[in-house]
Amino acid sequence: NAGVMQNPRHLVRRRGQEARLRCSPMKGHSHVYWYRQLPEEGLKFMVYLQKENIIDESGMPKERFSAEFPKEGPSILRIQQVVRGDSAAYFCASSPTKGRNTEAFFGQGTRLTVV
Amino acid sequence: QKEVEQDPGPLSVPEGAIVSLNCTYSNSAFQYFMWYRQYSRKGPELLMYTYSSGNKEDGRFTAQVDKSSKYISLFIRDSQPSDSATYLCAMSGSGANSKLTFGKGITLSVRP
Repeated sequence: NAGVMQNPRHLVRRRGQEARLRCSPMKGHSHVYWYRQLPEEGLKFMVYLQKENIIDESGMPKERFSAEFPKEGPSILRIQQVVRGDSAAYFCASSPTKGRNTEAFFGQGTRLTVV
Repeated sequence: QKEVEQDPGPLSVPEGAIVSLNCTYSNSAFQYFMWYRQYSRKGPELLMYTYSSGNKEDGRFTAQVDKSSKYISLFIRDSQPSDSATYLCAMSGSGANSKLTFGKGITLSVRP
């Protein structure tokens, strides 16, 4: 039973390019959370999705960031026109049940570097 | 005031020491209190969680929650070099929106 799979593990983008981060939840999990970890900071909530629905995007920057979790395939976090400040580790977590963080598992993260 | 404050580090202890890690919070709506361990370049791994106030023990680890003081702790007994990692406290409410609010984390080093 594979865990939460994130890819790529490392991503380098030049300023102005787009970054696409993928998260495949554990088998049977239909809830996905994205978090961002900036250097010297704790993890910050970005967005909570269920299949085909965005439940809470209160942590998402208003511009350039979007997320989806289609019926088929992984969840995608998309960052358009990346800037140096977007450099961070992005983690997703999945859980099988709504509101049950104690059953959530984190992936290994995608480390985005903007040059 | 930040919602969750965690004691700054880093923390270095000799092998076998008792380690005490602490967090305070300001949001009375928090109901679940978690401790995560994160090794370098890895994702957070849930160590323990407690619902509401009280203590919970699991092997060498004990989690305590004092909701009246808005204070939580993680104790590690007989610390081992393999416990060297970053420890993050996290909290959430019990409603439908169950996002986690994390502390900054503290890096623990256990010296052999």
